[in-house]
Amino acid sequence: GAVVSQHPSWVICKSGTSVKIECRSLDFQATTMFWYRQFPKQSLMLMATSNEGSKATYEQGVEKDKFLINHASLTLSTLTVTSAHPEDSSFYICSAPQGAKDTEAFFGQGTRLTVV
Amino acid sequence: DQQVKQNSPSLSVQEGRISILNCDYTNSMFDYFLWYKKYPAEGPTFLISISSIKDKNEDGRFTVFLNKSAKHLSLHIVPSQPGDSAVYFCAAKTGTYKYIFGTGTRLKVLA
Repeated sequence: GAVVSQHPSWVICKSGTSVKIECRSLDFQATTMFWYRQFPKQSLMLMATSNEGSKATYEQGVEKDKFLINHASLTLSTLTVTSAHPEDSSFYICSAPQGAKDTEAFFGQGTRLTVV
Repeated sequence: DQQVKQNSPSLSVQEGRISILNCDYTNSMFDYFLWYKKYPAEGPTFLISISSIKDKNEDGRFTVFLNKSAKHLSLHIVPSQPGDSAVYFCAAKTGTYKYIFGTGTRLKVLA
C-alpha cells in the first residue's frame, strides 16, 4: 500500500532554534499534503494544507511565520518550526491523499518534537 | 471547542467479546465520518467510514453505526482480538481529505 514517511521520528531542540520535519510520499505523488499537530490527550488538529508549487494554506490561529511549510516537489513537504519554544513541543503528523476517495489519505508515523 | 468528542479515553475488553467505541459530534453539517486506528510510533491508518445517508456500515469484524439525530456514532469490533489493541480516533470530514479528529480512545483487548 501507499506509504507516507516522516523524518525525524523524534527530535529534541533548544529554545530559539529551528527544526525541520520532512514528509515524503514514497510510492506516489502528492500535490497536496496536510500537517497536523497533537498535544497530549488532545485530538489531532489540522495546522495547514501544503500545496505543491504554491503557498500553503493555514488554519485559523496557526502562525504562518512560525510554521513554515514548503512543498518542494510532488513527493516532499517540509514543516519548519522556527524559533521554537517549549510550548511548541508536540506530536506533528502529516498526511497525503493518494486516491480519489477521502478514505485514501495516508498518514506518516509522526514526529515527536521536544523543545527544551 | 471540541466538535468531535470521544469521552472515553480508554477501554478494556476481554478477547472474543465486543468492543464498542463511542464518538459524539456537535456540527450537524458533518456528513462523512471515519475511524482511524493508531499504534504507538505509527501514523493513523484508515479503518472504516460512513456517510450520513447511511446508519450502518460493516466491514468484517468492524461495524460503524451512525445516529444522526443524536449526533453520535459508534464503532463495534466483534470478536475483539489482542491485535486490535490500539488508539482509535473518530473523525469528521470537513473538506477534501481534511478531517476533525476526536481525542481518541485507547482500546486494550485482554487475552
